[in-house]
Amino acid sequence: GDSVTQMEGPVTLSEEAFLTINCTYTATGYPSLFWYVQYPGEGLQLLLKATKADDKGSNKGFEATYRKETTSFHLEKGSVQVSDSAVYFCALSFMNSGYSTLTFGKGTMLLVSP
Amino acid sequence: DVKVTQSSRYLVKRTGEKVFLECVQDMDHENMFWYRQDPGLGLRLIYFSYDVKMKEKGDIPEGYSVSREKKERFSLILESASTNQTSMYLCASSTHPMGLGEQYFGPGTRLTVT
Repeated sequence: GDSVTQMEGPVTLSEEAFLTINCTYTATGYPSLFWYVQYPGEGLQLLLKATKADDKGSNKGFEATYRKETTSFHLEKGSVQVSDSAVYFCALSFMNSGYSTLTFGKGTMLLVSP
Repeated sequence: DVKVTQSSRYLVKRTGEKVFLECVQDMDHENMFWYRQDPGLGLRLIYFSYDVKMKEKGDIPEGYSVSREKKERFSLILESASTNQTSMYLCASSTHPMGLGEQYFGPGTRLTVT
């Protein structure tokens, strides 16, 4: 079945460092891909998405490019802030048997220190 | 703004009790979802509903049931709570008719079963 694999955390960075969180997926066909973020004590919120190959999603300085050839959707940010400390989830959405649900990775915790 | 609310942020129940978790969304979304979130396991889908009185099993439905009598409300029921159901429960909704696309999450209910 469909699955998402993301790098294990925690990822610990200093403020203004460059961030990469790796995400790869397994799916039959061409899913839509998402990054969600969960701040402490809150539910998940959508960070960015891409619906077809070579699409780049971006929001709040974060970017991810849908790479069909490597089945990847890595999350990047050029300069992280303390306020970016959160858990990040990669997810895919794919139509199967007439309906679709989200399949999530296990999440990667990001800790940014001043 | 889409708002998804959950009836409790924290809940403590005893083994064998019947537990109701309530979720309400205010954006007239067709689809609603219940997940549980556990450390190291990410989010796992318990049940979802794409219309009033309709329900579909997710990946881990055992020990749970759901009810959707009104479009805005989706309830998760633990018929006889057990300690292995101690977890964070997240509700979500989405508007896409086929379930694709962005989901909006509530803040979660942390359930402890003793």
